[in-house]
Amino acid sequence: NAGVTQTPKFRVLKTGQSMTLLCAQDMNHEYMYWYRQDPGMGLRLIHYSVGEGTTAKGEVPDGYNVSRLKKQNFLLGLESAAPSQTSVYFCASRPFDRVGAKNIQYFGAGTRLSVL
Amino acid sequence: KNQVEQSPQSLIILEGKNCTLQCNYTVSPFSNLRWYKQDTGRGPVSLTIMTFSENTKSNGRYTATLDADTKQSSLHITASQLSDSASYICVVSEGGYNFNKFYFGSGTKLNVKP
Repeated sequence: NAGVTQTPKFRVLKTGQSMTLLCAQDMNHEYMYWYRQDPGMGLRLIHYSVGEGTTAKGEVPDGYNVSRLKKQNFLLGLESAAPSQTSVYFCASRPFDRVGAKNIQYFGAGTRLSVL
Repeated sequence: KNQVEQSPQSLIILEGKNCTLQCNYTVSPFSNLRWYKQDTGRGPVSLTIMTFSENTKSNGRYTATLDADTKQSSLHITASQLSDSASYICVVSEGGYNFNKFYFGSGTKLNVKP
């Protein structure tokens, strides 16, 4: 049971290049999220998904696209990378629970992305 | 505006000592509050979760408190160990229809020295 797995762990891009970050979870969770973490700031939500085939924008969606074709996978795409997208990206998942004790997100180990 | 603020930003303590981290929030309606531990280079891991009716919860040497009236929470670490060196993040969930909204604090970076 691997939990939440993110690939790749590190990546360096040049401005204008594109790439896809992959998140895979083996816990059969309905909800999945992509966050970015920048120094001195809390995690900020980029996009999220409440189920297979559905996605929604978060707090900072510009410059990113996502897809959830399979329940266990959530992909984050950068079509034309910019230096402002240099960050650490975290994927998270959680089971369906509107309130209370199961409302815990499980995070991947992160992807460190540098855009030059 | 819904916000979560944590203090201090960073803290250095000696191994074996106790410490308390603070979290103040303005999120409304409130659903629950969680504390996460994030080791360097890793993703956050849940320590505790508290709903509106809970005012204290323990997980080993970690004890979280919640005062829903003043919208404050604290995380107390007892008899600190070197492995407690990490960032501690307070996360508040919004209630009602926005049950999928989470507000993250910027974290307290704890350094436990031998």
